Amino acid sequence: NAGVMQNPRHLVRRRGQEARLRCSPMKGHSHVYWYRQLPEEGLKFMVYLQKENIIDESGMPKERFSAEFPKEGPSILRIQQVVRGDSAAYFCASSPNQDGELFFGEGSRLTVL
Amino acid sequence: AQSVAQPEDQVNVAEGNPLTVKCTYSVSGNPYLFWYVQYPNRGLQFLLKYITGDNLVKGSYGFEAEFNKSQTSFHLKKPSALVSDSALYFCAVSLPGGYNKLIFGAGTRLAVHP
Repeated sequence: NAGVMQNPRHLVRRRGQEARLRCSPMKGHSHVYWYRQLPEEGLKFMVYLQKENIIDESGMPKERFSAEFPKEGPSILRIQQVVRGDSAAYFCASSPNQDGELFFGEGSRLTVL
Repeated sequence: AQSVAQPEDQVNVAEGNPLTVKCTYSVSGNPYLFWYVQYPNRGLQFLLKYITGDNLVKGSYGFEAEFNKSQTSFHLKKPSALVSDSALYFCAVSLPGGYNKLIFGAGTRLAVHP
């Protein structure tokens, strides 16, 4: 059973470009969470999705950031018009149900030049 | 505001000695408490969690944690450290019914020396 798969593992973008980060949850998991880790900091909750629905996006910046988890395919975290402050590691996690154990992916490291 | 504090940026311990990584929290209600470990350029791995019951929780790789409600602490411990335990450790909390919206501490780097 493959774990949570994230790609790309590393992404370099110039200011103003778009970044798309993908997350395939573990098989059988329909709950997906995105967390952001800034350098030398802990993870911060961004958004919680359950197939085709955004349940909680209270941690998402109000502008430029969006997330989706379509019926088919991976969850996508999209960052438009990236700025240097968006440079971070973005972790996806999945669980089989609302309170189930979280399984984390290895993260996508975004660098904005 | 709800928060998790890990007061030590780094903990150094000799191999074979006991280790403690400290965590305190400020959360209303009765939170769920977690410890995760992160190796370089990897995702977080679950170590253990406390929901209710016995204050001493045993987890993976010989780690355990002690919940102390009066001190709002959840310190991570291991009786005998290994060099391979060297990693970044995160304490986290979530609220009952709050699904997996975890609040993480800033992390403590554990260095175990041979």
